Amino acid sequence: SQTIHQWPATLVQPVGSPLSLECTVEGTSNPNLYWYRQAAGRGLQLLFYSVGIGQISSEVPQNLSASRPQDRQFILSSKKLLLSDSGFYLCAWNGGLGGNSGNTIYFGEGSWLTVV
Amino acid sequence: QQPVQSPQAVILREGEDAVINCSSSKALYSVHWYRQKHGEAPVFLMILLKGGEQKGHEKISASFNEKKQQSSLYLTASQLSYSGTYFCGTERFGFSGNTPLVFGKGTRLSVIA
Repeated sequence: SQTIHQWPATLVQPVGSPLSLECTVEGTSNPNLYWYRQAAGRGLQLLFYSVGIGQISSEVPQNLSASRPQDRQFILSSKKLLLSDSGFYLCAWNGGLGGNSGNTIYFGEGSWLTVV
Repeated sequence: QQPVQSPQAVILREGEDAVINCSSSKALYSVHWYRQKHGEAPVFLMILLKGGEQKGHEKISASFNEKKQQSSLYLTASQLSYSGTYFCGTERFGFSGNTPLVFGKGTRLSVIA
């Protein structure tokens, strides 16, 4: 079966500090990978998606970036965090070989980021 | 481009029914429903792939009206465990396949004893 993990689960960072959130998927190959953000009490905002190694599409211009250095690894980064970057960050996946059929997206456990 | 959900919030007593609606301004090929408990990641409930398709998950069912570009989620005889925020998701690029989903703003459902 397929599993997705992301870390860290919680972090508190000062304004202007860097950020790195990591996500890995097991049990499938060549999955589509996604980063979503959920501000407090708000909906799910698509930030980035990737259909393969090194292939990143950005949905929202901001001071965040994403990278996919390996097939099942997805990283969300920032060089300098802003207060508005606070929120619940969710990695997600679908597709891939040995993965699920259809377009169902499965989410990781999420990472709570508080920028102070 | 994101779907529109209504109502934004609803409060039910145990045993009551509720309907959550999801509509889109563009053609839909599928609709995905998720439930999110407070502080947790969204959990997949069901996907509807064909116009007119209806599905069920326990006492939660959904319909998909392709022509009207909308879907409805029906919660019957609600239980305390149904509390949470419900999201509908639709394809970002308007075709069925491995594409990103964009989500509505969610409907917060509270079931009280």
